[in-house]
Amino acid sequence: KQEVTQIPAALSVPEGENLVLNCSFTDSAIYNLQWFRQDPGKGLTSLLLIQSSQREQTSGRLNASLDKSSGRSTLYIAASQPGDSATYLCASPWMEYGNKLVFGAGTILRVKS
Amino acid sequence: GAVVSQHPSRVICKSGTSVKIECRSLDFQATTMFWYRQFPKKSLMLMATSNEGSKATYEQGVEKDKFLINHASLTLSTLTVTSAHPEDSSFYICSAIGKGYGYTFGSGTRLTVV
Repeated sequence: KQEVTQIPAALSVPEGENLVLNCSFTDSAIYNLQWFRQDPGKGLTSLLLIQSSQREQTSGRLNASLDKSSGRSTLYIAASQPGDSATYLCASPWMEYGNKLVFGAGTILRVKS
Repeated sequence: GAVVSQHPSRVICKSGTSVKIECRSLDFQATTMFWYRQFPKKSLMLMATSNEGSKATYEQGVEKDKFLINHASLTLSTLTVTSAHPEDSSFYICSAIGKGYGYTFGSGTRLTVV
């Protein structure tokens, strides 16, 4: 069974800091890995999608990496801002699960001004 | 980009009544839609997968007679919570995928059963 773990569960940093969110998965048979952002009481916004053949993707201040062999992905946020405060979720469509997404529990990020 | 519209965003209903939640893909054809439930400070729990024109596939432990899912067209799926009880209060989110489009999520529905 695929298990997705996110560390840390919560993170509080001052504005301007660079930070790293971690995601690990137990089964490397994945099509891709996605990072999402969820604001309180809202749906999910896709941030970055890394295909299984890729090692990283970048969008603005966000950079996500994928290492299938070690079962890990990281989301790097540069120069954090208060507007980055949200819950960040990683998820992967696990091949043996019929391509359905398996989510981590998320990292709650708070960026203090 | 792909947009999924979910309505209503919030609903309060009386215990014993039924509530329908709609999920629409606005600019693409959604071959598959997913319904999730999210408890406070928890991640998303997949409830069921629906493909256009066929019966939904429910995850283990999800009552199909309580959570009725209809995917009548390539742009619309509905989740009906029947005979709602306070324990059904939760945040429900839909997601859709289509050819050439990855997972796109709706904005969620906060259901409160009183």
